[in-house]
Order: sequence, then C-alpha cells, then structure tokens
Amino acid sequence: DSGVTQTPKHLITATGQRVTLRCSPRSGDLSVYWYQQSLDQGLQFLIQYYNGEERAKGNILERFSAQQFPDLHSELNLSSLELGDSALYFCASSVRTSGVSNEQFFGPGTRLTVL
Amino acid sequence: SQKIEQNSEALNIQEGKTATLTCNYTNYSPAYLQWYRQDPGRGPVFLLLIRENEKEKRKERLKVTFDTTLKQSLFHITASQPADSATYLCALRSGAGSYQLTFGKGTKLSVIP
Repeated sequence: DSGVTQTPKHLITATGQRVTLRCSPRSGDLSVYWYQQSLDQGLQFLIQYYNGEERAKGNILERFSAQQFPDLHSELNLSSLELGDSALYFCASSVRTSGVSNEQFFGPGTRLTVL
Repeated sequence: SQKIEQNSEALNIQEGKTATLTCNYTNYSPAYLQWYRQDPGRGPVFLLLIRENEKEKRKERLKVTFDTTLKQSLFHITASQPADSATYLCALRSGAGSYQLTFGKGTKLSVIP
C-alpha cells in the first residue's frame, strides 16, 4: 500500500459527460501528479500540483482540468468525454518538486470507461 | 524530440536466470533515471534510482547501470523468481528544473518456473 488513495476505483460513463476523479496523497507529501495510461500510449504525464499551485503541465487536453485543495487532496476533472478517454488514471505523490531524487508513490488508479 | 525506448515489449526467462532489461533514450540529458515495477491493473511501484554520476546501483537482487555516453540504462534481476513477473518501466527527469517524469512503455517480464 503506497499511502495514496484514489476514488472511485471504476467509473463507467457516456460520451459527452463530465467526471471527477479524486486523489489523496501520502501524508506529508506536497506534490501530486496525474497520469493517464492507455494500452497504446503507455503512462502519460498530465499535470503536477505542488502545495496548491500548478507546477508542470504535460499533454493534458483542454477538456481536462485539475486542482489541489488546501488539505492537499486533488481532483482531476474530465469533460466532454470521448471514447478515446477510456484509460487508467493514476495519481502519484512525492515530497518535493525538485532537488534530490523524488520517487513518486502511485495510487491504485481509477479505471474510466467511456461508452 | 525526446524519446525513451524499452527495447523489448516482452521478455521470457527461466526461473533462476538473470533478467536484463534495456532502456535507451534520445535527446535527454537526465540528472537521474528511475525504474518502476507495475503489476496488471495496479499503480507503478518505485524500485531504484540512479544518478548521472553513478555507474551502478544495487538493491538486493536488483542492479541498475547507467551509461550517459551510450544513453542507456540496464536493469538486471538476478536469481529471478516467478514473483518477479511484472512490467518494468524506466522513467526520466531531465533535471532539477523539470518536474515531469517521462516513462517508457515498459517491458513485460515473465519468469517461467
């Protein structure tokens, strides 16, 4: 158990809908990262937050947004969903943004299926 | 453009042998490289990190090498066991100013009893 929690575990929805994925980082970790993993693309970095502020952005679609709240939990919002958004979404946390090595601790993931 | 390649999509080896997985990268100058293990349907788990000024790192039956001239890291599992069967991912960060981890697509290792 990494200490990172994600809800829900599974989500099935229809095209055009909007969903919210939730992540609670390990106790004490200030950084939260979101990744998307699909069979053909592998693990793709979406976005990082550090202590409530956006720190880095990857290939995140404009239809997707995220935020980190004062209690450090984070939410990833996916809207106008398309079939191609079906994937595993992982949240990871780490202690700091930079400096010495920052191994990331991954949650169990949310499996999103768009029908 | 930056690229990470893990040469084999799948690798089958006999129990007790040494598994060697390869990670090659282009157009990166990584400060360090990480290896993760991922089991089906689960999140990756950090295994080892090696810095650009380190040639080799060991942890129990695991060994990682890092050759910045060849732009390559090798990941070895000695005395492999069926429980080592998983997908292994390498990941790079370009340096202290870069916060993104870019992952290779992984190598699926199967250790046959």
